[in-house]
Amino acid sequence: GENVEQHPSTLSVQEGDSAVIKCTYSDSASNYFPWYKQELGKRPQLIIDIRSNVGEKKDQRIAVTLNKTAKHFSLHITETQPEDSAVYFCAASRGYGNKLVFGAGTILRVKS
Amino acid sequence: EADIYQTPRYLVIGTGKKITLECSQTMGHDKMYWYQQDPGMELHLIHYSYGVNSTEKGDLSSESTVSRIRTEHFPLTLESARPSHTSQYLCASSSQGRNQETQYFGPGTRLLVL
Repeated sequence: GENVEQHPSTLSVQEGDSAVIKCTYSDSASNYFPWYKQELGKRPQLIIDIRSNVGEKKDQRIAVTLNKTAKHFSLHITETQPEDSAVYFCAASRGYGNKLVFGAGTILRVKS
Repeated sequence: EADIYQTPRYLVIGTGKKITLECSQTMGHDKMYWYQQDPGMELHLIHYSYGVNSTEKGDLSSESTVSRIRTEHFPLTLESARPSHTSQYLCASSSQGRNQETQYFGPGTRLLVL
């Protein structure tokens, strides 16, 4: 089955700097890759996703890149702000009828 | 407003008690899931359902059971709670369609078994 590895497990950055979280997946048939943000005491919420027919997707300060050949995808957050501090989860799925497989999560701390 | 609801939000209970964690969604989704999330953060899938009368065990073995009698309702039951069941339980749902894989999470139930 699918296995998703996520790195780093913790990441501290200075406010205004960029943050990058990387995930690798094992199943070459996976075609959907969402990213979730979970703030302390709250539910995970989808922040951005990408499908295998796209190499990059941006939404304001966040972007996701996908390298199908290498089977890895990354979350990029630019101009980080204290409210970006949270746990971020990547996930992968084959799509219809298949479950999401989550990475172990990354704790992002933005220091002001 | 379309959302996923979980009750109770917090539960402290003694060992051996039977408990049911409620999950309801007004999203109109057909697929529902239960995850266990420990302080170590990882989300572990323990049960899922693709529709009424359909339930499957997830990747993490769990002593809990689930039922899906109504589309919008997916309760999780522990027949005899133990301290090892102490965790946060998150319910989620998703739909068929273009964004079928996108899962939406409920607020969670924090369970403490003494």
